[in-house]
Amino acid sequence: DAGVTQSPTHLIKTRGQQVTLRCSPKSGHDTVSWYQQALGQGPQFIFQYYEEEERQRGNFPDRFSGHQFPNYSSELNVNALLLGDSALYLCASSSTGQGSYEQYFGPGTRLTVT
Amino acid sequence: QQQVKQSPQSLIVQKGGISIINCAYENTAFDYFPWYQQFPGKGPALLIAIRPDVSEKKEGRFTISFNKSAKQFSLHIMDSQPGDSATYFCAATRSWGYQKVTFGIGTKLQVIP
Repeated sequence: DAGVTQSPTHLIKTRGQQVTLRCSPKSGHDTVSWYQQALGQGPQFIFQYYEEEERQRGNFPDRFSGHQFPNYSSELNVNALLLGDSALYLCASSSTGQGSYEQYFGPGTRLTVT
Repeated sequence: QQQVKQSPQSLIVQKGGISIINCAYENTAFDYFPWYQQFPGKGPALLIAIRPDVSEKKEGRFTISFNKSAKQFSLHIMDSQPGDSATYFCAATRSWGYQKVTFGIGTKLQVIP
């Protein structure tokens, strides 16, 4: 049973560029949450997707957007990249339909903005 | 606003000793408190979790103690091993509705032989 998978593993972008990160949830899970983890910090909630809609959002600007597909996979898009966007981006999945609130994290995508 | 406060930020324990990490929360709507273990270059892995209707939960060498009235909870790692060296995050969330997880700042644990 595959866990949460994310791609790519590492990414280097230049300020002002746009980036798309991808996530496939754990089998049987229907909800995907995205987190940003800066070096030496705990993960910070970006937003959560369920039934292809964003249903909760943290304190992140509109440059951060996302999408969930019918197969429950998800994308995180960041526009107009800033140096401060350099971080580990984590995807977590859970199962709202089964009433489960435990979130399982993927290995993350390390984004470096130069 | 730091809704989950975690201490210490770093901890060095000798092999065989007890590692203790403490957390406090503010939002009384939280009713599920997981602990995550993260190794360098990896995502956080769910270690153990507790609900506030239980004062203690033990899984192997890992024990969570929970004090609802004080809004505090702690992780004890008994017989600490070098393989336990990692960063540990306490967290809090709601088990209903929208379930974003709020994390503490993390504790970097080093177990020395």
